[in-house]
Amino acid sequence: EAGVAQSPRYKIIEKRQSVAFWCNPISGHATLYWYQQILGQGPKLLIQFQNNGVVDDSQLPKDRFSAERLKGVDSTLKIQPAKLEDSAVYLCASSLAAASLNEQFFGPGTRLTVL
Amino acid sequence: QKEVEQDPGPLSVPEGAIVSLNCTYSNSAFQYFMWYRQYSRKGPELLMYTYSSGNKEDGRFTAQVDKSSKYISLFIRDSQPSDSATYLCAMSGGTNFGNEKLTFGTGTRLTIIP
Repeated sequence: EAGVAQSPRYKIIEKRQSVAFWCNPISGHATLYWYQQILGQGPKLLIQFQNNGVVDDSQLPKDRFSAERLKGVDSTLKIQPAKLEDSAVYLCASSLAAASLNEQFFGPGTRLTVL
Repeated sequence: QKEVEQDPGPLSVPEGAIVSLNCTYSNSAFQYFMWYRQYSRKGPELLMYTYSSGNKEDGRFTAQVDKSSKYISLFIRDSQPSDSATYLCAMSGGTNFGNEKLTFGTGTRLTIIP
């Protein structure tokens, strides 16, 4: 079974530029998560989708971050404009969203450096 | 105060030693307690999870949860160099494992010295 795919793996941009990340979850997984992991910290949830609907985006900085999952499968996360403090690894995870035992499977992440 | 506190280390132990990793938390609503392992430049992978208080053993790994003290532990017996990684504790509330937001600790970087 293929895992969660993310691209690009690395991205370097200058502040005030825009950037987009892509995630393809494990086939059949209805729930998709985007996490931000700053160096030396644990992942922090940015947004959770159930199919193509948003379940939780309370920690998403909506003035600069946006995310979509239009067809309920893959997803994109965008930052516009980027700030220095956005430098982090952006992790995508997915889970089955069955009645129980919904392990979240993580992708390898996209490492963003904002200069 | 953070909801989940974890000593970031780094922690270095000789091969074969017993490793103890710990987290404390403040949110009484947490019901599921997880340990993730994260190798360098990889995403976290679930090692073990426990529901409510108690112990759970899986091979060389033992997870303990003490809800009265809001304290969880992961023990690694007969540690191997391949165990060298960052270990993240994570917690969630709710009645269904995995459907709720995970709150992570900062992670402890562990190195097993051959």
